[in-house]
Amino acid sequence: AQTVTQSQPEMSVQEAETVTLSCTYDTSENNYYLFWYKQPPSRQMILVIRQEAYKQQNATENRFSVNFQKAAKSFSLKISDSQLGDTAMYFCAFMRGYSGNTPLVFGKGTRLSVIA
Amino acid sequence: NAGVTQTPKFQVLKTGQSMTLQCAQDMNHNSMYWYRQDPGMGLRLIYYSASEGTTDKGEVPNGYNVSRLNKREFSLRLESAAPSQTSVYFCASSEVGGPNIQYFGAGTRLSVL
Repeated sequence: AQTVTQSQPEMSVQEAETVTLSCTYDTSENNYYLFWYKQPPSRQMILVIRQEAYKQQNATENRFSVNFQKAAKSFSLKISDSQLGDTAMYFCAFMRGYSGNTPLVFGKGTRLSVIA
Repeated sequence: NAGVTQTPKFQVLKTGQSMTLQCAQDMNHNSMYWYRQDPGMGLRLIYYSASEGTTDKGEVPNGYNVSRLNKREFSLRLESAAPSQTSVYFCASSEVGGPNIQYFGAGTRLSVL
């Protein structure tokens, strides 16, 4: 079974600063995807970024980037130039395989507050 | 551009009552999922349907049943609601062989008194 651990229940960052959210996972699989989802107060789950395990290059999406360390089973999210709209719960998630029809395993989440 | 639609958005039940949470997706996705979210627990899988005609248990299936009515619809039924089932429920869908992204509905907040 896979497990996902987010060790920071809460974090805060000043507007325009950079913050890094940590995620580690445990699996014996070699083929998988990793994701970061954002959940603002509206409760909607929004995909932030995804990473294929076979890709060595770290994924980036505008101000969001990841540091994927496959050997260490680590998948951290860096948010640059933090904005008030980044205030949300952030969930790290694992998907086994590359078929697209397997469930996600989530971490418990990190609540991020961006302070003006 | 509806995506994944869940009904209802809010529901209050008394212990022992039954209800069905509805989920429909208009993206022609093969796979659908039900998760529940509790404070401090993240999202946990209840049941999923990898393809039309199949369903499988997840991490927390007790007290729930599911029906994959057709390719579009995947319902979750609580036969005899218990206070421990107070939670936010999310439905999601994904495409086999696609970008491997799960798309989520807006969630249903359920309170069992």
